[in-house]
Amino acid sequence: QQPVQSPQAVILREGEDAVINCSSSKALYSVHWYRQKHGEAPVFLMILLKGGEQKGHDKISASFNEKKQQSSLYLTASQLSYSGTYFCGTGLTGNQFYFGTGTSLTVIP
Amino acid sequence: EAQVTQNPRYLITVTGKKLTVTCSQNMNHEYMSWYRQDPGLGLRQIYYSMNVEVTDKGDVPEGYKVSRKEKRNFPLILESPSPNQTSLYFCASSSAGVGSYEQYFGPGTRLTVT
Repeated sequence: QQPVQSPQAVILREGEDAVINCSSSKALYSVHWYRQKHGEAPVFLMILLKGGEQKGHDKISASFNEKKQQSSLYLTASQLSYSGTYFCGTGLTGNQFYFGTGTSLTVIP
Repeated sequence: EAQVTQNPRYLITVTGKKLTVTCSQNMNHEYMSWYRQDPGLGLRQIYYSMNVEVTDKGDVPEGYKVSRKEKRNFPLILESPSPNQTSLYFCASSSAGVGSYEQYFGPGTRLTVT
């Protein structure tokens, strides 16, 4: 039931863009996105609560396609500080929560 | 400062020796949860609690116990730890149902069972 993310890993140069995808075999009622730096706790980025919703702050945004059971995270003009592992997550049954498989993103100068 | 605290941060123990990892939040959150993180497996939910005296199993509850006697505290108990419970553990809380609200994470507890 764990959402699957792609790609598993990506390396970018500063200023490049990236897209991380999250796909579920079960219906998604909401999608969370978190970023985790090495050795630290995950940090919340955003929640999308409705199909068709798009959100963003700074140069990070996300979309949610409820029908396709997918969400995508867009990182524009990446900065060194964007490096880390990105996780999508969702509550599938009741208040149980599932994180995605994770995407390691490395931004190099 | 709003935060989730966990103790200890690091723990090395031996197989079979009971241990408790404490978790406390100061945000008056209803929902609390425990996760374990292992390389290649991501974060997996162990147990969660919707409120005092209300707990439920997550994806990987075997070998763990929890209790929620007070709203702010949600300890994780390993009655007889085994080496396969060596992992990085995170406690998290959110204001209400986890689907609609962000989770705040503690700093993590790195547990090694020999």
